[in-house]
Order: sequence, then C-alpha cells, then structure tokens
Amino acid sequence: NAGVMQNPRHLVRRRGQEARLRCSPMKGHSHVYWYRQLPEEGLKFMVYLQKENIIDESGMPKERFSAEFPKEGPSILRIQQVVRGDSAAYFCASSLTGTDYGYTFGSGTRLTVV
Amino acid sequence: SQELEQSPQSLIVQEGKNLTINCTSSKTLYGLYWYKQKYGEGLIFLMMLQKGGEEKSHEKITAKLDEKKQQSSLHITASQPSHAGIYLCGADMYSGGGADGLTFGKGTHLIIQP
Repeated sequence: NAGVMQNPRHLVRRRGQEARLRCSPMKGHSHVYWYRQLPEEGLKFMVYLQKENIIDESGMPKERFSAEFPKEGPSILRIQQVVRGDSAAYFCASSLTGTDYGYTFGSGTRLTVV
Repeated sequence: SQELEQSPQSLIVQEGKNLTINCTSSKTLYGLYWYKQKYGEGLIFLMMLQKGGEEKSHEKITAKLDEKKQQSSLHITASQPSHAGIYLCGADMYSGGGADGLTFGKGTHLIIQP
C-alpha cells in the first residue's frame, strides 16, 4: 500500500546540469501534479498530468522545465541547465479521478544547485 | 497578492493549550485541504472540507469551513509536541474541480513549548 513515491529524496546538481525528478503515483491514481516549494514561500502549482497528457502547465516556467507522465513508468519532471534559483523542494501529488478523494503528496525531492 | 492568506504566520503555544489557525480567501472555495508538514519532509493530509458549514475532527484537530466557503479554521485542543510543524491550507479555487491543482497558503509555523 505504498503512497506517492518520489525519488531521489535529495539531489545535488552543478549549474548547467540536468535534474530529473521522478514520481510514482499511488496505485490506481491516474492524475499527477507537481508543485515547487521555494525557501520562505508557499507551495506553487507547476503542472498537472494524466497518462501521456499534459492537462495544465500554467505554473511551469517557460524555459528549461518539462514534465511527462508516460503510459508506463513514473512521471518525470526535468529541469535542464539548472541554475541556483532552481534550488527548492519539489513535491508530487496524485489523485483519483475527481476531487472527492483529495490529493496524496509524496515526500518531495530537495534539489540543491551548487 | 496572495490568493489564500494564512494567519498567523507563526505561533508559539505552551503544551496543553488550545490554538487556532485561519485560512482566508477572497474567492469562493470549492474544496479546502489542510496538510501538515514536518520541517524538511513531505505533506501529511489532515482533512478535506467541501461543503459550507462543514466541520471535521480527527483526534484533537478540528477543521471548519464557513458557510460562505471563504474561510476555514483549524483548531487544536490540548496541544502536544507532536503537533509542531508547518500547517498548510490548500484550496481548489475553480469551479471546474481540482484538475488545475491546488492553491496554497504560505503556511503557519507552529512551535509547542514544553
């Protein structure tokens, strides 16, 4: 009965490298959401995906960030050419169809760009 | 401006005392979620409220959504050290349902003094 699994828990990247964050939703959940939590700020919505589809990416930075949720495997949040300002905690949440069941969050990936 | 305002930003309470955290919106809330976050960790789901006037309790924590569905309060009775952490309210602010992700407040940092 695993919850939302995110890995890695901690990720250190040098400026200019790529960061790949993975999220496996709860069993049976087909909706995945990514959030970013910057120091001293609240959680900000980034993107909402269903299998093989991006439904809403209104919170994603226009450049360097991309997300996917393939038919098989986890959802991936990719950050290319990372900069220090990308250092944050990235959380993934999943839900069943509809909102009555709420959202379950993973433990997050803490990205540090050095 | 912040769509969802939480107050207070931080709170220091003596163990055994009661406390209340508020979450206020200028817009109608279509779903209100309370989460707890331990420092450096993920979000733990506490409660979800959808109907105006709804009230839910779990152990010593009670959450209410007012009739107009624009404010929620979280009340902890006889606080314990285990209650310490960051309390986040997240809201579905769009009538189309939670498909667009939640909007979060900045959180309330709760410290319990022995």
